[in-house]
Amino acid sequence: EAGVTQFPSHSVIEKGQTVTLRCDPISGHDNLYWYRRVMGKEIKFLLHFVKESKQDESGMPNNRFLAERTGGTYSTLKVQPAELEDSGVYFCASSRGPIAGAQETQYFGPGTRLLVL
Amino acid sequence: AQTVTQSQPEMSVQEAETVTLSCTYDTSESDYYLFWYKQPPSRQMILVIRQEAYKQQNATENRFSVNFQKAAKSFSLKISDSQLGDAAMYFCAYFHAGNKLTFGGGTRVLVKP
Repeated sequence: EAGVTQFPSHSVIEKGQTVTLRCDPISGHDNLYWYRRVMGKEIKFLLHFVKESKQDESGMPNNRFLAERTGGTYSTLKVQPAELEDSGVYFCASSRGPIAGAQETQYFGPGTRLLVL
Repeated sequence: AQTVTQSQPEMSVQEAETVTLSCTYDTSESDYYLFWYKQPPSRQMILVIRQEAYKQQNATENRFSVNFQKAAKSFSLKISDSQLGDAAMYFCAYFHAGNKLTFGGGTRVLVKP
């Protein structure tokens, strides 16, 4: 079974530019999550999709961030315009069902390392 | 709001020895889940071990075991017989509801041959 994949693995952009990150979850996983780790700090939740619907986007920092999951398959996270504080590692995770009540877990991708100069 | 604290930014262990990583958390909930994730350098994060709060028995997965102290809100990870492949960042995480994990800041484990 292929794992969660993310593209690109690294991205270096200048302040004010736009960057789009992509996540392909494990096939059959309805739940898709985005997290972010800013340098030296905790991994923070950004948002959660169930299929194509946003279930929880309480962690999105501001309206410069836009996440989509067209057709309930892969997801994209666009940052426009990027700011210096957006630098960090962006993780995507997926799960088949909800964590609670079952032996379910979130499977993580390798992350995209974003550097905004 | 729930918080997770890992007080050790880095731990070093000799190969074949044992190392214990600390994790404390703050919650008012009684039913929740705790996890330890491992992220090797430049690789994806993988689940090491999982503990349901309603279970008194500490979870164990091969050389990895936890010491879950619910009253103290402590969830430490013990790595026994450390191997070079154990070198990684280790993240403690909490889950209650809503499908989002709350993570600690991570502990880097270095294994010396």
